[in-house]
Formats: sequence, C-alpha cells, structure tokens
Amino acid sequence: GAVVSQHPSWVICKSGTSVKIECRSLDFQATTMFWYRQFPKQSLMLMATSNEGSKATYEQGVEKDKFLINHASLTLSTLTVTSAHPEDSSFYICSARETRLEQFFGPGTRLTVL
Amino acid sequence: ELKVEQNPLFLSMQEGKNYTIYCNYSTTSDRLYWYRQDPGKSLESLFVLLSNGAVKQEGRLMASLDTKARLSTLHITAAVHDLSATYFCAGPNTGNQFYFGTGTSLTVIP
Repeated sequence: GAVVSQHPSWVICKSGTSVKIECRSLDFQATTMFWYRQFPKQSLMLMATSNEGSKATYEQGVEKDKFLINHASLTLSTLTVTSAHPEDSSFYICSARETRLEQFFGPGTRLTVL
Repeated sequence: ELKVEQNPLFLSMQEGKNYTIYCNYSTTSDRLYWYRQDPGKSLESLFVLLSNGAVKQEGRLMASLDTKARLSTLHITAAVHDLSATYFCAGPNTGNQFYFGTGTSLTVIP
C-alpha cells in the first residue's frame, strides 16, 4: 500500500513555543490530506482538511490561528502548533488520500508540551 | 458531521471465544472502514467495505456492512492474544472526511 510518513515522531517543547509537524506521501501524490488529534484512550478527532494550493478547512471548534496548516505541494502538508500549551499535548496523525476510496495514515507524532 | 458509535467500548474475552463489535453511524454512507491501533502506534487498515451487504474476512476477523441499517460489524472468531488492540470503525461524509467511532479496546486473556 501507499506510504505516508510524519516527522518528527515525537517532540517535547516548552510552553509558548511553536512546533511544526510534517506529513509526506512518499509514493503517491495527494491533493488532500487530513490532520487528526488523539488524546490518550480516546478516538481520533478530525481537525482539518488540507487541500493542495488552497486554504485548509477546519472542523468546528478547532482554532485555525493556533493550528496552521500548509499544503504547499502534492506530497507535503505541515501542521504548526503555535504558542503551544500543555493542553495541546496529544498524538497527531495525518492521512493522505490516494483515491476517493482510500486514505493512508502516517505513523503519528507525539507532542508533549511542558 | 457524521456520528459514529461503537459498542462495546471495552471488551475482555478469553482466548478461543467469539465476539462481535458493532458500529452504528448516523447518516447515509456507502462505505465503512475498520482499523486496528496498537498502543503508541498509528492506524493499521483492516477492512474497506464499499457497498451494502459487503462482507470481508481476514484470518479470525470478519467485517460486514448493512447500509440500510447504518450498521457494520466486526466479528472475532476464536480470539487469540495477538488480537489485543483497539479497533476503530470510520465512515466518510460527502466531502470524504473520515469520522471515527469511539473505539473498542479489546483484551484477549489466556
């Protein structure tokens, strides 16, 4: 199957700093990527839909100024958590859509904000 | 927004036993997906169900989809310890955003 990578795998940062997470589709082009957040023992919550060359679409309740998404190419989307706080600590997972029927998920990035 | 519910949330079962996980969703969807997640890991795709009446089997797991009832099931046959994980179902809305169920944490005990 298609491969999606994320970088970094885990990151620890101080409160108030910004953190960038990359999501890459390695062997296919993805016009659409998705960002999810997962708190411990909970399900995945869709944060936003990232479309190549256009603005991301955010789910209700997700602050677009806090979670900046850029999808500058067909293989790369980035999520920047600005002015991170401890409550932003979570497991962030991206997915990339190869066809209408299938999405492939990245390995996830664990963010810990101290 | 598509609402997806799973039942049960937690499941502890003995090796060798059978059980079914249920996934109900709120609006019409012609597709349903099942994933497995191990602790600290991302998602592993298990099944893609693309039409009403679809049934797929892989090893001890079998998934089915009833779009009229808005119900999918994941049946576990003769459970083994390796199946211990969290299982999620997910359905797409018209914009192809995926909405995940609450997850079922399965523990298979010897």
